[in-house]
Amino acid sequence: DGGITQSPKYLFRKEGQNVTLSCEQNLNHDAMYWYRQDPGQGLRLIYYSQIVNDFQKGDIAEGYSVSREKKESFPLTVTSAQKNPTAFYLCASSQQRTTEAFFGQGTRLTVV
Amino acid sequence: AQRVTQPEKLLSVFKGAPVELKCNYSYSGSPELFWYVQYSRQRLQLLLRHISRESIKGFTADLNKGETSFHLKKPFAQEEDSAMYYCALTQTSGSRLTFGEGTQLTVNP
Repeated sequence: DGGITQSPKYLFRKEGQNVTLSCEQNLNHDAMYWYRQDPGQGLRLIYYSQIVNDFQKGDIAEGYSVSREKKESFPLTVTSAQKNPTAFYLCASSQQRTTEAFFGQGTRLTVV
Repeated sequence: AQRVTQPEKLLSVFKGAPVELKCNYSYSGSPELFWYVQYSRQRLQLLLRHISRESIKGFTADLNKGETSFHLKKPFAQEEDSAMYYCALTQTSGSRLTFGEGTQLTVNP
């Protein structure tokens, strides 16, 4: 069953702790993306990666970090430096810039 | 910098009425534009892309480079069209994919 999988679906974190969100795809896509979705603000790009071992900052990268050690995996770490981490996070992948981006089901992170 | 603007956060129409969801963009090169849709409890998915010039579920969108717009239109809205719609842009070099703020469309019976 091909697709893009995010885990966990719900995540709770205490203030001051780092947390890592998983994103895995078996579509053999080169490009992967992380977005943050907040009500009224749409999808804001956090980081994206076009190839393995390379990634670029998006519009709201502060307080986040990523790695791309494998083509199929693009984990996102929300660090304690992120001032307002409670949000819905979406991961996506695409083969090329003009082709369809496929999205995961998202991870809802809540800081308690 | 590339930017996508959807001026309407909420749009409500009656079944059978025409609907237009507005999208404006700013980008200095030649953009590739898309509309994505998110139905309730479903993943975000591609609705259509401007390079395909296709009609999906009765929706069409025309790229107007002069007005830097890519409005989504449907002549007769259906209740099942109720969803969140996002306009998106990517650049000709690289793969940065930028989304607008989204428009929540509600089609009333």
